[in-house]
Amino acid sequence: DAGITQSPRHKVTETGTPVTLRCHQTENHRYMYWYRQDPGHGLRLIHYSYGVKDTDKGEVSDGYSVSRSKTEDFLLTLESATSSQTSVYFCAISAKGGVLSNEQFFGPGTRLTVL
Amino acid sequence: AQSVTQLDSQVPVFEEAPVELRCNYSSSVSVYLFWYVQYPNQGLQLLLKYLSGSTLVESINGFEAEFNKSQTSFHLRKPSVHISDTAEYFCAVSNTDKLIFGTGTRLQVFP
Repeated sequence: DAGITQSPRHKVTETGTPVTLRCHQTENHRYMYWYRQDPGHGLRLIHYSYGVKDTDKGEVSDGYSVSRSKTEDFLLTLESATSSQTSVYFCAISAKGGVLSNEQFFGPGTRLTVL
Repeated sequence: AQSVTQLDSQVPVFEEAPVELRCNYSSSVSVYLFWYVQYPNQGLQLLLKYLSGSTLVESINGFEAEFNKSQTSFHLRKPSVHISDTAEYFCAVSNTDKLIFGTGTRLQVFP
């Protein structure tokens, strides 16, 4: 299994509080991704990174920010959590982001509940 | 823009029966297609992928998928399912740096 960990694995928070989720990899892969998974929507990309300090938005980026200060860590921040951000969040990594080899490896997920 | 459609949200089937999970995609360029599986309370795992070459690809646990360009499909099949195949299955298409996922099909295998 690819070396990907996510922390915390579960979190309950209140509306309006800031939340940071961490993804850590030991594979030295260049690309890292944050998805959210919701019933009926599959996985939707929030943000991704193609290198240290290089990030870009996905399809559901509103209300989220990311940072990547070193290869192994990719942080997802909810500046002011809302109930609509209750979801399961997955981190993924890829050695190559290009089309030919865009196989992604997924972390175990973080279940976030915003009350 | 590329997109993926999984027509069935749930597929119930009895053990040892055959199954087909449907996936259709739309793309104006060459595509690379993937099937991922998610077992309960776990992350996604790659099941199989089509990048080029033979249009029929197989996984190590008996699943296979066939890339059909004319029908823009990449259906997943297994001739005889096991209880342990109960999971959610996601089809995905590659789009430069990103994967576009379908909404998933929950396969429920009954004894």
